[in-house]
Parts: sequence; C-alpha cells; structure tokens
Amino acid sequence: GQQVQQSPASLVLQEGENAELQCNFSTSLNSMQWFYQRPGGSLVSLFYNPSGTKHSGRLTSTTVIKERRSSLHISSSQTTDSGTYLCALANYNVLYFGSGTKLTVEP
Amino acid sequence: EAAVTQSPRSKVAVTGGKVTLSCHQTNNHDYMYWYRQDTGHGLRLIHYSYVADSTEKGDIPDGYKASRPSQENFSLILELASLSQTAVYFCASSTGDSDYTFGSGTRLLVI
Repeated sequence: GQQVQQSPASLVLQEGENAELQCNFSTSLNSMQWFYQRPGGSLVSLFYNPSGTKHSGRLTSTTVIKERRSSLHISSSQTTDSGTYLCALANYNVLYFGSGTKLTVEP
Repeated sequence: EAAVTQSPRSKVAVTGGKVTLSCHQTNNHDYMYWYRQDTGHGLRLIHYSYVADSTEKGDIPDGYKASRPSQENFSLILELASLSQTAVYFCASSTGDSDYTFGSGTRLLVI
C-alpha cells in the first residue's frame, strides 16, 4: 500500500495554543486530504488540498508536492478541536490514510 | 440529504460465524469503499468498487469478500469471522476525485 506517515502521534495543548500537524508521503499522489474524526468516530472532511495553501477559519493546510509533505496548522486551539486528525493521500481514486494525530486541548 | 448509511451500527459475532456489513449511499457516486480502523490507528482499505457487479482488492483483503449489486449498495462479508477482525468498519462513497463521504461506522466485536 501507499506509505503515509503522520506526526506527532499525539499532542496535548492548552487552550489558545497553536498546533502543527505533519503528514509525509513516500509515493506520488493525486491529492492530499485532511479529515477530522470526532471522538464518536465519524469523519469530517477538512481540506482537499492537492498543492499550495488553503485556509478555513482557524485551520490552514499546506501541501508541498516536491517535498512530499502536507501540514495542518490549527491556530488559537479550542477544547472543541479535540479529536483525531487524519491525512489521506489520494491515488488512482483511492484514499490511503495516515495513522492519525490525536489532539487533546485542555481548558 | 446525500448520505452514506451503514448497518448495523454495532454487532457482536461468534468466531467462525458469517458476518455481513451493509452500506447504502444516496450520493450517486461511482466509487464505494470499505475501510477498517483499529484502536489508535488510521483507516486501512479492505475492498473498493468503481462500478456495480465489480469489486477490487485493497491493502488488506484477506478474510473479507465484497459485493456491489447496485450503484447504491456495497456489502462487506466475513465468511468465517475471527478475533482479529474485531474493529470499526467504515464505508465511504466518492466521485473518485475530491468528494468523499463516510458512513458513521460499524463496531464489530468478534468473540
């Protein structure tokens, strides 16, 4: 399968701090996507980002294809940001997921 | 509203028994997928399909079969359930490009 490495595996923040989540891939890709997985398990799409930088509220995604990496930046974290963040490499119409970053934001 | 619906939401199965997980989508998507997630891990691809009556193997197909009888329906079949198949299973549909919709997951416990 495709190789997608995420880091860190877990992260604990105090509310208001920023977070930087990393995703590295070892093969070519069509695109990169970021998902948020609620503690209950369902997945929510955050970004479809084949290259460059995209913004959505306090979230920023940057994908650099030449360096085979993508990042997700969360600014001014809130307790409601807690959960698992998954990156997924899209190749030939299939998503291949990293192992996720479990984020805990404490009040 | 377009959606992916999985059934059952949870199931307890006996080792060696047959288990069928069902997925129904109203997105009119060509692609459908089955993933499994183990505690503390990402999602791993089991089977997928891009057209009715055809399925493809993913990264971990051993012990699983898939069936796509129509564009809307995609089933995952465990002919002989084993303890190692205890996991959460997610179904998804997609245009094959950027638009992916996931179901809420099925929690399977094999005892």
